[in-house]
Amino acid sequence: NAGVTQTPKFQVLKTGQSMTLQCAQDMNHNSMYWYRQDPGMGLRLIYYSASEGTTDKGEVPNGYNVSRLNKREFSLRLESAAPSQTSVYFCASSGGPVHEQYFGPGTRLTVT
Amino acid sequence: AQSVTQPDIHITVSEGASLELRCNYSYGATPYLFWYVQSPGQGLQLLLKYFSGDTLVQGIKGFEAEFKRSQSSFNLRKPSVHWSDAAEYFCAVGPPGGSYIPTFGRGTSLIVHP
Repeated sequence: NAGVTQTPKFQVLKTGQSMTLQCAQDMNHNSMYWYRQDPGMGLRLIYYSASEGTTDKGEVPNGYNVSRLNKREFSLRLESAAPSQTSVYFCASSGGPVHEQYFGPGTRLTVT
Repeated sequence: AQSVTQPDIHITVSEGASLELRCNYSYGATPYLFWYVQSPGQGLQLLLKYFSGDTLVQGIKGFEAEFKRSQSSFNLRKPSVHWSDAAEYFCAVGPPGGSYIPTFGRGTSLIVHP
Protein backbone atom coordinates (compact mmCIF):
# COMPACT_ATOMS: atom_id res chain seq x y z
CA ASN A 1 0.00 0.00 0.00
CA ALA A 2 2.01 2.97 -1.30
CA GLY A 3 -0.61 5.65 -0.53
CA VAL A 4 -0.13 8.67 -2.79
CA THR A 5 2.82 8.66 -5.18
CA GLN A 6 4.12 11.54 -7.29
CA THR A 7 6.58 11.72 -10.14
CA PRO A 8 9.00 13.27 -10.68
CA LYS A 9 10.46 14.29 -7.32
CA PHE A 10 12.52 17.13 -8.81
CA GLN A 11 12.35 18.98 -12.11
CA VAL A 12 14.08 21.98 -13.65
CA LEU A 13 12.40 23.63 -16.62
CA LYS A 14 13.23 26.57 -18.82
CA THR A 15 10.63 29.27 -19.31
CA GLY A 16 8.15 28.18 -21.95
CA GLN A 17 8.73 24.46 -21.62
CA SER A 18 5.88 22.13 -20.78
CA MET A 19 5.64 19.21 -18.43
CA THR A 20 3.17 16.94 -16.69
CA LEU A 21 3.26 16.02 -13.02
CA GLN A 22 1.89 12.59 -12.31
CA CYS A 23 -0.03 11.49 -9.23
CA ALA A 24 -1.53 8.13 -8.32
CA GLN A 25 -3.28 6.78 -5.23
CA ASP A 26 -4.05 3.22 -4.26
CA MET A 27 -6.58 3.89 -1.48
CA ASN A 28 -9.65 3.81 -3.73
CA HIS A 29 -10.36 7.45 -2.89
CA ASN A 30 -12.90 9.41 -4.90
CA SER A 31 -11.39 12.87 -4.48
CA MET A 32 -7.98 14.10 -5.56
CA TYR A 33 -6.26 17.48 -5.34
CA TRP A 34 -3.28 19.48 -6.55
CA TYR A 35 -1.71 22.09 -4.28
CA ARG A 36 1.28 24.33 -4.53
CA GLN A 37 3.30 25.37 -1.50
CA ASP A 38 5.36 28.54 -1.44
CA PRO A 39 7.22 30.12 1.50
CA GLY A 40 4.90 32.29 3.56
CA MET A 41 1.88 31.38 1.41
CA GLY A 42 0.88 28.08 2.94
CA LEU A 43 -0.92 25.56 0.75
CA ARG A 44 -2.91 26.85 -2.20
CA LEU A 45 -5.34 24.68 -4.10
CA ILE A 46 -4.76 24.61 -7.85
CA TYR A 47 -7.37 22.10 -9.04
CA TYR A 48 -9.37 19.30 -7.55
CA SER A 49 -11.40 16.34 -8.72
CA ALA A 50 -14.33 15.41 -6.51
CA SER A 51 -14.83 12.14 -8.33
CA GLU A 52 -13.70 10.34 -11.44
CA GLY A 53 -14.75 12.30 -14.50
CA THR A 54 -14.98 15.72 -12.81
CA THR A 55 -12.44 18.48 -12.25
CA ASP A 56 -12.82 21.98 -10.84
CA LYS A 57 -10.66 25.03 -10.37
CA GLY A 58 -9.24 25.91 -7.03
CA GLU A 59 -7.71 29.12 -5.77
CA VAL A 60 -4.82 29.45 -8.28
CA PRO A 61 -5.65 27.58 -11.52
CA ASN A 62 -4.12 29.97 -14.07
CA GLY A 63 -1.34 28.39 -16.10
CA TYR A 64 -2.32 24.82 -15.23
CA ASN A 65 -4.51 22.08 -16.60
CA VAL A 66 -5.48 18.76 -15.07
CA SER A 67 -6.69 15.36 -16.16
CA ARG A 68 -8.42 12.78 -14.02
CA LEU A 69 -7.29 9.81 -16.04
CA ASN A 70 -9.14 7.26 -13.94
CA LYS A 71 -10.01 6.81 -10.29
CA ARG A 72 -6.35 6.28 -9.35
CA GLU A 73 -4.57 8.95 -11.38
CA PHE A 74 -4.72 12.74 -11.48
CA SER A 75 -2.15 14.65 -13.51
CA LEU A 76 -1.20 18.33 -13.55
CA ARG A 77 0.12 19.93 -16.73
CA LEU A 78 2.06 23.13 -17.19
CA GLU A 79 1.71 24.08 -20.85
CA SER A 80 4.19 26.97 -20.86
CA ALA A 81 6.15 27.16 -17.64
CA ALA A 82 6.88 30.53 -16.05
CA PRO A 83 9.30 31.42 -13.23
CA SER A 84 6.27 32.22 -11.06
CA GLN A 85 5.44 28.52 -11.16
CA THR A 86 8.60 27.63 -9.28
CA SER A 87 7.17 25.87 -6.26
CA VAL A 88 6.65 22.59 -4.48
CA TYR A 89 3.62 20.73 -5.79
CA PHE A 90 1.64 18.28 -3.70
CA CYS A 91 -0.98 15.84 -4.76
CA ALA A 92 -3.51 14.61 -2.20
CA SER A 93 -6.48 12.29 -2.10
CA SER A 94 -9.41 11.87 0.26
CA GLY A 95 -12.19 9.37 0.64
CA GLY A 96 -13.10 8.90 4.26
CA PRO A 97 -16.38 10.14 5.76
CA VAL A 98 -14.79 13.38 6.92
CA HIS A 99 -12.54 13.71 3.87
CA GLU A 100 -9.25 13.76 5.68
CA GLN A 101 -6.50 14.13 3.11
CA TYR A 102 -3.49 11.98 2.34
CA PHE A 103 -0.56 13.69 0.65
CA GLY A 104 2.16 12.60 -1.70
CA PRO A 105 5.85 13.44 -1.10
CA GLY A 106 5.83 16.42 -3.45
CA THR A 107 7.51 17.57 -6.65
CA ARG A 108 10.04 20.36 -6.39
CA LEU A 109 9.85 22.38 -9.60
CA THR A 110 12.22 25.15 -10.62
CA VAL A 111 11.55 27.26 -13.70
CA THR A 112 14.49 29.32 -14.92
CA ALA B 1 -16.33 32.10 4.33
CA GLN B 2 -14.48 29.81 6.65
CA SER B 3 -11.00 30.72 7.80
CA VAL B 4 -8.26 29.24 9.94
CA THR B 5 -5.75 31.21 11.99
CA GLN B 6 -2.55 29.86 13.41
CA PRO B 7 -1.28 32.88 15.32
CA ASP B 8 2.26 31.60 15.88
CA ILE B 9 4.50 31.47 12.83
CA HIS B 10 7.39 29.95 14.80
CA ILE B 11 7.56 28.27 18.18
CA THR B 12 10.74 27.21 19.91
CA VAL B 13 10.76 24.66 22.73
CA SER B 14 13.38 22.63 24.52
CA GLU B 15 13.40 18.88 24.13
CA GLY B 16 11.30 17.34 26.87
CA ALA B 17 9.18 20.44 27.35
CA SER B 18 5.45 20.50 26.74
CA LEU B 19 3.98 21.98 23.58
CA GLU B 20 0.79 23.72 22.61
CA LEU B 21 0.13 24.97 19.08
CA ARG B 22 -2.84 27.26 18.64
CA CYS B 23 -5.53 27.09 15.99
CA ASN B 24 -8.64 29.23 15.74
CA TYR B 25 -11.29 28.92 13.09
CA SER B 26 -14.17 30.96 11.84
CA TYR B 27 -17.23 29.06 10.72
CA GLY B 28 -20.96 29.19 11.40
CA ALA B 29 -21.22 25.61 12.58
CA THR B 30 -18.86 23.08 14.05
CA PRO B 31 -16.57 22.05 11.22
CA TYR B 32 -14.47 18.99 10.80
CA LEU B 33 -11.03 19.78 12.24
CA PHE B 34 -7.62 18.40 11.38
CA TRP B 35 -3.98 18.73 12.28
CA TYR B 36 -1.26 17.78 9.81
CA VAL B 37 2.51 17.64 10.22
CA GLN B 38 5.09 18.25 7.52
CA SER B 39 8.65 17.17 8.14
CA PRO B 40 11.36 18.89 6.09
CA GLY B 41 11.25 17.79 2.47
CA GLN B 42 8.16 15.66 3.01
CA GLY B 43 4.45 15.80 2.30
CA LEU B 44 1.81 16.48 4.93
CA GLN B 45 0.78 13.67 7.25
CA LEU B 46 -2.49 13.55 9.16
CA LEU B 47 -1.89 13.72 12.92
CA LEU B 48 -5.49 13.67 14.13
CA LYS B 49 -9.02 14.73 13.31
CA TYR B 50 -12.21 15.77 15.09
CA PHE B 51 -15.72 15.50 13.73
CA SER B 52 -17.96 14.70 16.71
CA GLY B 53 -18.07 13.25 20.20
CA ASP B 54 -15.32 13.57 22.78
CA THR B 55 -13.71 16.97 22.43
CA LEU B 56 -10.26 15.63 23.33
CA VAL B 57 -8.88 13.58 20.47
CA GLN B 58 -5.77 11.48 20.41
CA GLY B 59 -3.53 11.24 17.40
CA ILE B 60 -0.34 9.65 16.25
CA LYS B 61 3.14 10.36 17.63
CA GLY B 62 1.75 11.16 21.10
CA PHE B 63 -0.18 14.27 20.04
CA GLU B 64 -3.63 15.27 21.20
CA ALA B 65 -5.95 18.16 20.45
CA GLU B 66 -8.88 19.69 22.25
CA PHE B 67 -11.89 21.18 20.53
CA LYS B 68 -13.37 24.15 22.39
CA ARG B 69 -16.58 25.28 20.78
CA SER B 70 -16.89 28.44 22.89
CA GLN B 71 -13.46 29.61 21.79
CA SER B 72 -13.61 28.27 18.20
CA SER B 73 -10.28 26.65 18.88
CA PHE B 74 -8.61 23.33 18.21
CA ASN B 75 -5.22 23.49 19.89
CA LEU B 76 -2.62 20.77 19.46
CA ARG B 77 -0.67 19.54 22.49
CA LYS B 78 2.11 17.18 23.38
CA PRO B 79 3.34 16.65 26.95
CA SER B 80 6.99 16.05 26.10
CA VAL B 81 8.54 17.11 22.81
CA HIS B 82 11.21 15.05 21.05
CA TRP B 83 13.81 16.47 18.66
CA SER B 84 12.13 14.53 15.85
CA ASP B 85 8.96 16.62 16.34
CA ALA B 86 10.67 19.58 14.68
CA ALA B 87 8.45 20.23 11.67
CA GLU B 88 5.74 22.45 10.22
CA TYR B 89 2.26 21.95 11.65
CA PHE B 90 -0.92 22.82 9.81
CA CYS B 91 -4.43 23.14 11.15
CA ALA B 92 -7.28 22.65 8.69
CA VAL B 93 -11.07 22.83 8.74
CA GLY B 94 -13.69 21.29 6.51
CA PRO B 95 -17.39 22.09 6.52
CA PRO B 96 -19.57 19.48 8.25
CA GLY B 97 -21.36 17.19 5.90
CA GLY B 98 -18.19 16.09 4.21
CA SER B 99 -17.31 18.84 1.79
CA TYR B 100 -14.05 17.91 0.20
CA ILE B 101 -12.32 21.30 0.14
CA PRO B 102 -10.62 22.01 3.45
CA THR B 103 -9.20 25.37 4.45
CA PHE B 104 -5.65 25.28 5.77
CA GLY B 105 -3.93 27.61 8.20
CA ARG B 106 -0.60 29.12 7.21
CA GLY B 107 1.29 26.74 9.47
CA THR B 108 3.44 26.92 12.60
CA SER B 109 7.10 25.99 12.43
CA LEU B 110 8.28 24.09 15.51
CA ILE B 111 11.93 24.35 16.47
CA VAL B 112 13.23 21.98 19.12
CA HIS B 113 16.36 22.84 21.09
CA PRO B 114 18.39 20.03 22.64
